[in-house]
Amino acid sequence: GENVEQHPSTLSVQEGDSAVIKCTYSDSASNYFPWYKQELGKRPQLIIDIRSNVGEKKDQRIAVTLNKTAKHFSLHITETQPEDSAVYFCAASDDYKLSFGAGTTVTVRA
Amino acid sequence: GAVVSQHPSRVICKSGTSVKIECRSLDFQATTMFWYRQFPKQSLMLMATSNEGSKATYEQGVEKDKFLINHASLTLSTLTVTSAHPEDSSFYICSALGRTDSNQPQHFGDGTRLSIL
Repeated sequence: GENVEQHPSTLSVQEGDSAVIKCTYSDSASNYFPWYKQELGKRPQLIIDIRSNVGEKKDQRIAVTLNKTAKHFSLHITETQPEDSAVYFCAASDDYKLSFGAGTTVTVRA
Repeated sequence: GAVVSQHPSRVICKSGTSVKIECRSLDFQATTMFWYRQFPKQSLMLMATSNEGSKATYEQGVEKDKFLINHASLTLSTLTVTSAHPEDSSFYICSALGRTDSNQPQHFGDGTRLSIL
C-alpha cells in the first residue's frame, strides 16, 4: 500500500515568514495529493490539492509543488499569520483511498 | 455544497456499551464513504471503505466484527462500535465521495469524540 512520510513534525515560524512542509510517497500510481488543515477537535479542512498532471498550484498565500519523478510534494505558506497555526496533513491517493502523512504542527509566533 | 453531517459529536459511555455513529451526505449522493480513526496527536487512519449496498472493505488490523459498518443508502452510512472498551476511545471521522470521477476531494464530517469509561 501507499506510504506517506511528512516532515517536519513541528514547525515554528515568525509571523510574516514562510512555512514549508514536505512529503514523500511510495506508490508511483498515486495521482492526487491534497493538503488538509486541522484545528484541535475539528475535522480536516482541504486547503489545496494537486493532481499528477500538474507541477505547481497556487491559491493566494498557499502553494503546492509536485515532483512525480522524485515522488515528493511540498506545501508552501507565505506571509504566515497567527491563524495559520494548526496541524497540517498531506495525503496521497491512487484511487479513492487517501493515505495521510503523520502531520506537522505549525505554530506562528506573533 | 457537499456537506457531510456526522452525529453524535460526542459520546461518553460505560465499557461494554455499543455505540452507533451516523454519517450523512446532506446535499449529494455518496457512493463511497470512509471511516477514519484518529488518536490524540496522531494522523487519520483509515478503518474501512463502504460502498452503498455492499459490504464494507476493512483495512488490515481492523476487526470487522467489532466495527460494524452499514451503508444502506446513498446518503447514510453508520459505524457501530460493539462492546466498546477504553482502548476504543478516539476521534472517529467519516468522509464521503459523490457520483463523480475518482480523486475528487473527500468531504469530511465533523467527527465524533468517543470516550469509554
